[in-house]
Amino acid sequence: GENVEQHPSTLSVQEGDSAVIKCTYSDSASNYFPWYKQELGKGPQLIIDIRSNVGEKKDQRIAVTLNKTAKHFSLHITETQPEDSAVYFCAPENSNTGNQFYFGTGTSLTVIP
Amino acid sequence: DGGITQSPKYLFRKEGQNVTLSCEQNLNHDAMYWYRQDPGQGLRLIYYSQIVNDFQKGDIAEGYSVSREKKESFPLTVTSAQKNPTAFYLCASIRNRAAGYGYTFGSGTRLTVV
Repeated sequence: GENVEQHPSTLSVQEGDSAVIKCTYSDSASNYFPWYKQELGKGPQLIIDIRSNVGEKKDQRIAVTLNKTAKHFSLHITETQPEDSAVYFCAPENSNTGNQFYFGTGTSLTVIP
Repeated sequence: DGGITQSPKYLFRKEGQNVTLSCEQNLNHDAMYWYRQDPGQGLRLIYYSQIVNDFQKGDIAEGYSVSREKKESFPLTVTSAQKNPTAFYLCASIRNRAAGYGYTFGSGTRLTVV
């Protein structure tokens, strides 16, 4: 199965600063790269995703960048706000052959007001 | 609004007791999944089902059982054989794996052994 690692495991930033979380994976055939946000006591929610034919995607304050050669993709959050505080998971996948996502171990982001 | 409903939100189990966690979706999604999450951990797959009346074991299926009699429903039974069942359980569904869509998750059930 896919070997997925996330870094850092915890991240604290001042409100208004940027946050970057990196996800590395092992399966070179992976072609779908989502990021999920999990608030305390809730289920994860898909916040942004990218497919292998695109290098970057933006949605307001969040963006995902993909480096297929190096087998990693990153979540970028700009102008962070306290409501961005949550645990973020990556879950890269080969949608052509895989039957499940392999989730990273998560990054706990704290935005300090 | 379409979504996934998990119930109950909190569940307490006595030693040696089987309990069933409910998961219902009205998204018309074909595939459904059960994940377990322990404190500070990622998500680990218990079981998944891609079509009605068919399901496969995930990485940690021992001590759990599922059924998929209807497209909308995918209940998970935690049996007495699961020695450490205290965890947060998440149900998810997906519309079309081949097209590369992400999961839709329920709000979870927190199971505690008392």
